[in-house]
Amino acid sequence: QKEVEQDPGPLSVPEGAIVSLNCTYSNSAFQYFMWYRQYSRKGPELLMYTYSSGNKEDGRFTAQVDKSSKYISLFIRDSQPSDSATYLCAMRRTSYGKLTFGQGTILTVHP
Amino acid sequence: NAGVMQNPRHLVRRRGQEARLRCSPMKGHSHVYWYRQLPEEGLKFMVYLQKENIIDESGMPKERFSAEFPKEGPSILRIQQVVRGDSAAYFCASSSDETNYGYTFGSGTRLTVV
Repeated sequence: QKEVEQDPGPLSVPEGAIVSLNCTYSNSAFQYFMWYRQYSRKGPELLMYTYSSGNKEDGRFTAQVDKSSKYISLFIRDSQPSDSATYLCAMRRTSYGKLTFGQGTILTVHP
Repeated sequence: NAGVMQNPRHLVRRRGQEARLRCSPMKGHSHVYWYRQLPEEGLKFMVYLQKENIIDESGMPKERFSAEFPKEGPSILRIQQVVRGDSAAYFCASSSDETNYGYTFGSGTRLTVV
């Protein structure tokens, strides 16, 4: 079993839709949670960073962490074609150290 | 701030040759991480370095791969005697000593072994 599970999709939604992306994990020691966006043939770009449980909002993006369920989510409101990319969840146990990534979900937002 | 700089962007090597991938972290960042990404897969951790020290190399293959981050200059990921299975995108990330932050990634080096 992988430490971090993420449905690879692909996920296709119309412009303006609310997108929900999710990851589950098995290691209860994970404390720091991130979402990255990766465009084709580019490096991952940090979107959201959360420590421990709770919600965090930044513009159209909301990240949620539920440590009791070992489940994290990213919501994208009013999705745009420019949001079409691969979204990767990532997490780590300590302040520094390796990130463990999910497989990534391919998202397409069509006009 | 130029961000995390990786070079070359593309590297072609014949089987048996050596590949050297370079990573210059963001200004003020002393932590460097290397990841490998195979097609249709997520990023796999390889090694974590801090200036002149290897902190965690649990993701590095036991043979042919090595990494360094000298006091002066970029971090280097070195792959000796490359094989076709080494073909992948290699990404470098860096972070500062500030603990409450994510990592910044470079644009990657795409290695093709022919």
